[in-house]
Amino acid sequence: SSELTQDPAVSVALGQTVRITCQGDSLRNYYASWYQQKPGQAPVVVIYGKNNRPSGIPDRFSGSSSGNTASLTITGAQAEDDADYYCNSRDSGTNHVVFGGGTKLTVL
Amino acid sequence: QVQLVESGGGLVKPGGSLRVSCAASGFTLRDYYMNWVRQAPGKGLEWVSYISSSGTIYYSDSVKGRFTISRDNAKNSLYLQMSSLRAEDTAVYYCARERVGIVGYYYYYMDVWGKGTTVTVSS
Repeated sequence: SSELTQDPAVSVALGQTVRITCQGDSLRNYYASWYQQKPGQAPVVVIYGKNNRPSGIPDRFSGSSSGNTASLTITGAQAEDDADYYCNSRDSGTNHVVFGGGTKLTVL
Repeated sequence: QVQLVESGGGLVKPGGSLRVSCAASGFTLRDYYMNWVRQAPGKGLEWVSYISSSGTIYYSDSVKGRFTISRDNAKNSLYLQMSSLRAEDTAVYYCARERVGIVGYYYYYMDVWGKGTTVTVSS
């Protein structure tokens, strides 16, 4: 089965730029989507497709992809961006949905 | 207002059964891919199952043969029937609407999530 690999934890200074990555073979065939989850809340999609932001998501969030790696970049991180972030895609062999293990982002 | 509301969670003994529900409002559930995603305490998101708009169904390996996803179009609701429950099935269960698109590559994303319902499997 396909897996998506994320760094468990990343930190960034307030106002600086941070990149969160997601690696997996399925990303050669599908774009990743990215979700933000804060404690006690349901996930919220922040990036989908090539680099699309749903309405209400700040433009400091952006996405990119190269080969088997997808990236979520936050340019000018804010205190409210302190959260867990998950990538998500499809396994082209099984059609199963796959999630990365999640990255805990700490804004210092 | 587009919304998903889960219900039916609770405490169940190992080996027992439970059905959780997800009521949709503001859209027609059968027109979308609908997923169940769970999150064990302190853990990450784990996909459980989905039903496509055409009725195609998939399950994760961890629940295949024990869980059944279904929908009731008249009630605009999604269900997950869980049997032979194990301690490791303890989690918050979310239902989520999924969209699909293509721009060169296909992309899928879950744009609407419920608040979740908690299932605890314990003796």
